[in-house]
Amino acid sequence: AQSVTQPDIHITVSEGASLELRCNYSYGATPYLFWYVQSPGQGLQLLLKYFSGDTLVQGIKGFEAEFKRSQSSFNLRKPSVHWSDAAEYFCAVGRGGGADGLTFGKGTHLIIQP
Amino acid sequence: DTAVSQTPKYLVTQMGNDKSIKCEQNLGHDTMYWYKQDSKKFLKIMFSYNNKELIINETVPNRFSPKSPDKAHLNLHINSLELGDSAVYFCASSRRGDGETQYFGPGTRLLVL
Repeated sequence: AQSVTQPDIHITVSEGASLELRCNYSYGATPYLFWYVQSPGQGLQLLLKYFSGDTLVQGIKGFEAEFKRSQSSFNLRKPSVHWSDAAEYFCAVGRGGGADGLTFGKGTHLIIQP
Repeated sequence: DTAVSQTPKYLVTQMGNDKSIKCEQNLGHDTMYWYKQDSKKFLKIMFSYNNKELIINETVPNRFSPKSPDKAHLNLHINSLELGDSAVYFCASSRRGDGETQYFGPGTRLLVL
């Protein structure tokens, strides 16, 4: 069965600093990988996704993620965070195609210090 | 235009009651889902429907009954509500050929007293 691990429950970053959120997955085949962001009281917004091809994917809001098969990782990065980036971030893996949905990690809560 | 919408946004009710949550998507997608987000923000899939046919039922108590009258709608009916049902319920949809990319609704915050 698929699984997703986000090892950091909370991360605090100063505004303007760089950010990296970690995600490790377990999946037998080539995974479909996603990062979603959830602002307080809101739904989930897709930041970016990886299906195949270039292992460095660009997303919205200046985010990017790198797929590393050898490390089973899909870490999310941003070169300079803004206060509005404070939110919950979820990494997810496709469960097998078709209508199987996604398996989510437990999320990382990002706090931005002024 | 809201892509995936849910009603109501908030639902406060007593234990033992029956309630329904409605979901509609105007994206033309053929697959719809229900996810539950618990108090620790953990998201878990409950059901998926493809073209009105139930595909996934993730060991959810049979008090939960999804219904899909057409491809654009997926409703969730919950009987005999329990305290542990308090959560945020998210509807989502996806398109064939898009690698299961989920587009989520704003969520329904259910509180059972």
